[in-house]
Amino acid sequence: DIQMTQSPSSLFASVGDRVTITCRASHDISNFLAWHQQKPGKAPRSLIYGGSSLLSGVPSRFSGSGSGTDFTLTISSLQPEDFATYFCQQYYSYPLTFGQGTRLEVK
Amino acid sequence: EVQLVESGGGLVQPGGSLRLSCAVSGFTFSDHYMDWVRQAPGKGLEWVGRIRDKGHSYTTEYAASVKGRFTISGDESKNSVYLQMNSLKTEDTGVYYCVRLGLWTGSGYHIDYWGQGILVTVSS
Repeated sequence: DIQMTQSPSSLFASVGDRVTITCRASHDISNFLAWHQQKPGKAPRSLIYGGSSLLSGVPSRFSGSGSGTDFTLTISSLQPEDFATYFCQQYYSYPLTFGQGTRLEVK
Repeated sequence: EVQLVESGGGLVQPGGSLRLSCAVSGFTFSDHYMDWVRQAPGKGLEWVGRIRDKGHSYTTEYAASVKGRFTISGDESKNSVYLQMNSLKTEDTGVYYCVRLGLWTGSGYHIDYWGQGILVTVSS
């Protein structure tokens, strides 16, 4: 199985900050990488696929980059609604696997 | 508008069975791959399994942790996907999400929509 490791596990930031979350795959997954956002008590929402493509309706302050084994999710200017947990996920091979999550909290 | 609505969750004893339903609207499930993803209380996300689209004969894939116990199926007439769960264990407890995979883009099948989730509790 491909292991996905996110860092940091938690992150404290303020509105307006630029934040970056890293995801590392244990094997080359090309660009078969997605990012999902989850708020407490809610279903996840998918943000990015193919490492860098934004899904419809996702604000442009979100961006993704990387390929192979190393990926990043960047939020250019944090908004109040962005405080949530973020998960990366590989869909290169079965079983599909998720990172453990990065909790983004208010500083 | 794309919607996925799960139902059928609840409390079940270890060793018991439960069938989750996912009624979809705004699209035809037979045109899309559909997955089930679960989340144990306070934990991360775990992929459970997949049913491919009609063009791929509705073939399925499963996580090792549920293979042989869980079965995914679909019903075109009801535009619904199902997760039959047998021989349930306490570690199967969690919220189960039905998810839609986007159409092939050249970079695989990615999740684009999630249901609201349904709680399954396996306990005596």
